Amino acid sequence: GAVVSQHPSRVICKSGTSVKIECRSLDFQATTMFWYRQFPKQSLMLMATSNEGSKATYEQGVEKDKFLINHASLTLSTLTVTSAHPEDSSFYICSARWDLAVDSTDTQYFGPGTRLTVL
Amino acid sequence: AQSVSQHNHHVILSEAASLELGCNYSYGGTVNLFWYVQYPGQHLQLLLKYFSGDPLVKGIKGFEAEFIKSKFSFNLRKPSVQWSDTAEYFCAVNFGTNDYKLSFGAGTTVTVRA
Repeated sequence: GAVVSQHPSRVICKSGTSVKIECRSLDFQATTMFWYRQFPKQSLMLMATSNEGSKATYEQGVEKDKFLINHASLTLSTLTVTSAHPEDSSFYICSARWDLAVDSTDTQYFGPGTRLTVL
Repeated sequence: AQSVSQHNHHVILSEAASLELGCNYSYGGTVNLFWYVQYPGQHLQLLLKYFSGDPLVKGIKGFEAEFIKSKFSFNLRKPSVQWSDTAEYFCAVNFGTNDYKLSFGAGTTVTVRA
């Protein structure tokens, strides 16, 4: 149980285009999902908290107009990188908090990540 | 400011050696603590977590961690590593907030030589 998927696993796009990344909790409901960015050989940086049915909460320094987040259902959150530029190239990882986890409600389950390369 | 630090960037050891990875945080309040592992080409997996109670926490794959509040530390240990423990290890902290946010340490790459 507690599997999170991401699609696509990797994407290459031209500068100026927009890219949508999906994050799904496959076997549990998640009212809260998180989006992280991971640079090579570095840690995960939290970008935003995605809340089902309401607006995402962005971390300081993250452009909300550039990184659009939509949490349309209890199992799906999407991150759209708008007008992507080479500096947006990175590894994007989502996680989902299992609302009804028996052991704890404070555990996040991570997706496999999406490698974005902007040419 | 709240922060998480991992002391070792890269650890290389032989099979059957003992492993200890350091993790410290800076915050005076209540924290929830986690260790995640990322095997090559795979996603982050939870190794263990601490919320309250016994400060010595046992996780999967023979790992354990000890929360020492006075030292603001949550070090990860394994008595005898295997080649399959080669991975990236991340310490993560929730700084007592109700928003479930995690702050990650920089990670430690562990290479186990057969």
